Amino acid sequence: DTGVSQNPRHKITKRGQNVTFRCDPISEHNRLYWYRQTLGQGPEFLTYFQNEAQLEKSRLLSDRFSAERPKGSFSTLEIQRTEQGDSAMYLCASSLPGFDSPLHFGNGTRLTVT
Amino acid sequence: QKEVEQNSGPLSVPEGAIASLNCTYSDRGSQSFFWYRQYSGKSPELIMSIYSNGDKEDGRFTAQLNKASQYVSLLIRDSQPSDSATYLCAAYSSASKIIFGSGTRLSIRP
Repeated sequence: DTGVSQNPRHKITKRGQNVTFRCDPISEHNRLYWYRQTLGQGPEFLTYFQNEAQLEKSRLLSDRFSAERPKGSFSTLEIQRTEQGDSAMYLCASSLPGFDSPLHFGNGTRLTVT
Repeated sequence: QKEVEQNSGPLSVPEGAIASLNCTYSDRGSQSFFWYRQYSGKSPELIMSIYSNGDKEDGRFTAQLNKASQYVSLLIRDSQPSDSATYLCAAYSSASKIIFGSGTRLSIRP
């Protein structure tokens, strides 16, 4: 168990640019979640996958955000045409299926949009 | 109404005392609940999970669940300075996703 891995750890980009983040979950975990967290707030749900299927995407999420998990292993989160309001910590977490399976978080990717 | 609500604090507790953290949730179909601790600049780490009404104890931590009242709490006994952190309550909702509250900042004063 090597834990959940996220890359990069930090990303600084200019407004209007596209960015992509990667998450490698714990190998036996078939559920993968993306959250966004800003200072003083709890993690905000963005989307989640079971295997390669994206089961839900937050209604609050702009169409500029897209996530994939093509082979049910790693996942990518892309933000197109970044805005300053996108600056946040992006957290990935994985779990086994079932209501009794807790999330295991990666170290996050901190995005700064200038 | 937020799906999971917590008092943002800060909650200040003297060292050695009991810290009591509370959480309410709106989705009656929520099946399980989790408490996470988050230090500044770090990712959340799991402290406890609870699925059934009543109390669940693990060392200095006790989680309490009351589904009728839609209420979850976490008690920390013999509070230590290292317990100073933000505590996040999370619910596994009826939509099979895990939703977090905004967190309660806890400060243990020596």
